[in-house]
Formats: sequence, C-alpha cells, structure tokens
Amino acid sequence: AQTVTQSQPEMSVQEAETVTLSCTYDTSESDYYLFWYKQPPSRQMILVIRQEAYKQQNATENRFSVNFQKAAKSFSLKISDSQLGDAAMYFCAYSGAGSYQLTFGKGTKLSVIP
Amino acid sequence: DAGITQSPRHKVTETGTPVTLRCHQTENHRYMYWYRQDPGHGLRLIHYSYGVKDTDKGEVSDGYSVSRSKTEDFLLTLESATSSQTSVYFCAIKSRVGVYNEQFFGPGTRLTVL
Repeated sequence: AQTVTQSQPEMSVQEAETVTLSCTYDTSESDYYLFWYKQPPSRQMILVIRQEAYKQQNATENRFSVNFQKAAKSFSLKISDSQLGDAAMYFCAYSGAGSYQLTFGKGTKLSVIP
Repeated sequence: DAGITQSPRHKVTETGTPVTLRCHQTENHRYMYWYRQDPGHGLRLIHYSYGVKDTDKGEVSDGYSVSRSKTEDFLLTLESATSSQTSVYFCAIKSRVGVYNEQFFGPGTRLTVL
C-alpha cells in the first residue's frame, strides 16, 4: 500500500518570504500522480498543484512550485512571496495512474506572520 | 467550482441514531468519493463509487454504507452513529477533463455524535 508522509505538522513563515513544505511517499509503481491541496479555515479543499511522475520538469503555478525528486520519492512544495492568505493546512496526496484513488498525508499547518 | 454540494453542512445527533449525508453533483462525473477528516489523520477514504449502483470500500469503511441510485447523488449512511464517527465528511469527484486523476471536493459536512 502506498503511504504519504508529511514530517512537519506545523510551520511558519514571514510574510513575503519563501517556505518549503516537505512530502515523501512510498510506492512500487512507476507511473503515478502527486498533488498538493490547500485547506484554509473555510475548510474548502483547494487543488494547488499537480505533478505526473513521468514528467521530469517540476510543476509551477504562479507563486507555488514543486521540487519532485522521483528517485528519492520526495515531493516538496515551495511557496514564494508568502501572503497572509496562504495560511492554511496543506496536504500532499498520491494517486497511482490506474487507481482513481487518492492517499493523503496528515497535513502541515502553515502560519504566515505579518 | 466542480458543482458539488453536500447536505447537511452541519449536524448534531445522538449515539445510536441513523444518519444520512448527501452529496450532489451537477456535471455527470462518474467517480464519486466519501472521505472523513480527523486531526492528525488527514483525509481517509470511506467508500467510493465508479457508476450508478457500483461502489467499493475504502480504508475506513466499517460502520458506513453508501448508495448511488442516480449519477448525481452519492449517499453516505451511518446506520447507528457512534462518537468515534464525529468528524468532518467530504465528498469528492474525479474530474473527467483532467488526466491527472485529480479530485475536487465539496464544502464538507461537520458531524457531531453525542
């Protein structure tokens, strides 16, 4: 079974600074997808960024980018120019290519300090 | 917005009573999912559906049943609620458009079992 580990239960960052959230996963599959979801205090789950294992280029969405290290099974999220609205729980998730199911990590709570 | 609604949004009930949560989607998605979210556990899959009357168990299915008689509705039933089922419940759909297996979530239902 696949597992997803987020080793940082809580993190904080100064406004306008950069922060990196860590995620590692365990799988025997060669093709899969990885995701970062954001959950603000409103509780809504929001897809932030996604990565396919076969794509070597790291995904980027505006201020959000990932560092995907397939051999190390690592998928970290970098948030640049942090804003107050980035304060949220962040969940890393994994899906096998033929699975249609998501496995989530336990989450990292990010605080943004003004 | 993936057109997903959940009802009710909040519910307080007593131990031993039956509870049904409803997920409704308007975009004819084939795959629908029920998750529960608890502190320190992230999101865990309860049941999912891959078509009308086609359902399967997830990681934490004990004490829950589901039904899907129409494409647009996916019901989660707690036959006899227990305090351990106090949680936030999310419904999700798998996008038909994306190729990444990404899922999009409803707003969640907070259930309290006294």
